[in-house]
Amino acid sequence: EADIYQTPRYLVIGTGKKITLECSQTMGHDKMYWYQQDPGMELHLIHYSYGVNSTEKGDLSSESTVSRIRTEHFPLTLESARPSHTSQYLCASYASGANVLTFGAGSRLTVL
Amino acid sequence: QKEVEQNSGPLSVPEGAIASLNCTYSDRVSQSFFWYRQYSGKSPELIMSIYSNGDKEDGRFTAQLNKASQYVSLLIRDSQPSDSATYLCAVNQAGTALIFGKGTTLSVSS
Repeated sequence: EADIYQTPRYLVIGTGKKITLECSQTMGHDKMYWYQQDPGMELHLIHYSYGVNSTEKGDLSSESTVSRIRTEHFPLTLESARPSHTSQYLCASYASGANVLTFGAGSRLTVL
Repeated sequence: QKEVEQNSGPLSVPEGAIASLNCTYSDRVSQSFFWYRQYSGKSPELIMSIYSNGDKEDGRFTAQLNKASQYVSLLIRDSQPSDSATYLCAVNQAGTALIFGKGTTLSVSS
C-alpha cells in the first residue's frame, strides 16, 4: 500500500473561502506532484517539486499555489475558491530509483 | 508540446477475450513508458512499465514498445469484468514529470 496521504478526501465549501489540500508521503521521495482531474477527463499537471524549497508550475495554468518546506509535505492552497475550482486533486510522489509514480487517494473539492 | 494520444473508447470486449489498448507519443526522446489503471472515482495505479523495445509480460498483461514508431500498447489476456476501468498511458524523459494521455475506457462484459 502506497504511503502517500491526502486530506481531506472530500471538501464542500463556499465561494471565496481559502482552502489547503494536504499531501504527505513517508517514503522520503524528493519529487512530488499535483495533478487536477475532472470526472471522466484527463490528468493535468498543475504543480511539481523536485525537493525542499523547489516548486514549479505544471502544464495547466492554475490559480493554486504550493509550498515544499519539508521533504514529506507538499500542500496546495487556493486563496479564494471559485466554482471553477471544483475538481479532483491528486498528489503523487516519485521514486527515482524504481522510476515509479505513486498517487494518493485524491481530494475531491466542490465549491458552491 | 509533448503529447500522448489514446483512443478514448469505450473499448468493449467479452469476458475471456484479449483487450488491446494503444498509445502514441510525440516526443522522440521519451525514455520511460507506463500503463496506469484507474477505476471510476479512484486514483490511478501502476500496472506496467516498459523502457526497451519489445514485449514485457506480467501475468495477464503484456506491454509492447516500438520507439521507432513512437507506439506503446497494452494487451490484457483472458479479460475479466474486474478489468473494466480507464487505462492511462504515460511517458517521460529521465527526471521529468509524467505526461498522461486522456485514457481509454475498457468495458469487459460477462
